[in-house]
Amino acid sequence: GNSVTQMEGPVTLSEEAFLTINCTYTATGYPSLFWYVQYPGEGLQLLLKATKADDKGSNKGFEATYRKETTSFHLEKGSVQVSDSAVYFCALRGARAGNNRKLIWGLGTSLAVNP
Amino acid sequence: ETGVTQSPTHLIKTRGQQVTLRCSSQSGHNTVSWYQQALGQGPQFIFQYYREEENGRGNFPPRFSGLQFPNYSSELNVNALELDDSALYLCASSPTRAGTEAFFGQGTRLTVV
Repeated sequence: GNSVTQMEGPVTLSEEAFLTINCTYTATGYPSLFWYVQYPGEGLQLLLKATKADDKGSNKGFEATYRKETTSFHLEKGSVQVSDSAVYFCALRGARAGNNRKLIWGLGTSLAVNP
Repeated sequence: ETGVTQSPTHLIKTRGQQVTLRCSSQSGHNTVSWYQQALGQGPQFIFQYYREEENGRGNFPPRFSGLQFPNYSSELNVNALELDDSALYLCASSPTRAGTEAFFGQGTRLTVV
């Protein structure tokens, strides 16, 4: 079945440092890939997405490229801010109909950015 | 803000009781999914409703049930609550059954004591 493996946290960085959170997946066909962010005490917010190979999703300075050859969708940001402190979830939605369309989630990576 | 609203925001129940959680989907969205997120974990898919019909179900026992109404709002019902049911319950709506994006509400924090 489909699965998502996400880099374990917590990740602690200083402000303006470079961020990478690794995400790899297992799926048949061409799933859609997502990064969601969960700020403390809040629900999940879609950060960015990519729906086909080589697509790059980007938002708020974050980027991730859908790499079919390495089955990866790593999240990057060139210069993190304290306000980026949150838990980041990589997720996948299968390409086929029915139950396969549910979102499959990684375990989440907690990011703490220090001033 | 996504336009998906959930109620209540917090709830405390006793083991063995029953609970109903509610979700209003974003305007124009006909698909609603429910997820359970235990502390420190990723969300787990409970089920999805599309135009009032269940359209997929995760590995949850039958005491987890749901409804979707003609206005596409939804309820999650859990019977015979267990301590392990304590979690954040998230509702997500999508514009179509095959939609690639899901918009989440703030969640309902359920504590079973």
